[in-house]
Amino acid sequence: EVQLLESGGGLVQPGGSLRLSCAASGFTFSTSAMSWVRQVPGKGLEWVSVFSTGGSTYYADSVKGRFTISKDKSKNTLSLQMNSLRAEDTAIYYCAKIDSSNSIRNGFDYWGQGTLVTVSS
Amino acid sequence: DVVMTQSPLSLPVTLGQPASISCRSSQSLVHSDGNTYLNWFQQRPGQSLRRLIYKVSNRDSGVPDRFSGSGSGTDFTLKISRVEAEDVGVYYCMQGTHWPPITFGQGTRLEIK
Repeated sequence: EVQLLESGGGLVQPGGSLRLSCAASGFTFSTSAMSWVRQVPGKGLEWVSVFSTGGSTYYADSVKGRFTISKDKSKNTLSLQMNSLRAEDTAIYYCAKIDSSNSIRNGFDYWGQGTLVTVSS
Repeated sequence: DVVMTQSPLSLPVTLGQPASISCRSSQSLVHSDGNTYLNWFQQRPGQSLRRLIYKVSNRDSGVPDRFSGSGSGTDFTLKISRVEAEDVGVYYCMQGTHWPPITFGQGTRLEIK
């Protein structure tokens, strides 16, 4: 059974940093493309970042230069380092697995439960 | 970025009746490889998301056959042939053709009348 378990969310002041983690199990993590998607509570979805099977990384313009996605194959963990946080980064952050095609164009076949990040003074 | 517009945003439906959600894109979603990367997701209350449909009309494993997707170009539809109580939630369309970035619709909230 595929499981994605996010952690690391919490309250942080504007300008601060936070590191999110996603523990993955039940599939071959090392060869899977993975992504982060966020959702302002009660609102819609916004793609944040992707780590491709080839190791390439991509970011939404809204987080480029501030967020860094990484993948630890030895620990089956996906991470998102978030720096220079802003109030508008407040959201639930979901870890999501891209399907076996490894093409983000098909979206995500499994999602975690999410972790809430609140940026406020 | 491609804008995805869903309608209606709220959809009250009687149990056992059909439901239909529209999703329109600001540009054609036909990719140069011939595929159309339009996907549908369901978010039940208190639960995470689940993909229902990929590439317009392909149902994911375990998705009931009362769910179907159709459309082409810029106009797409998710249909539920007979709504059941477990279908309550928010439905999102997503385009992957013009990536990066992928973009989602605003969501349609389905509720039982």
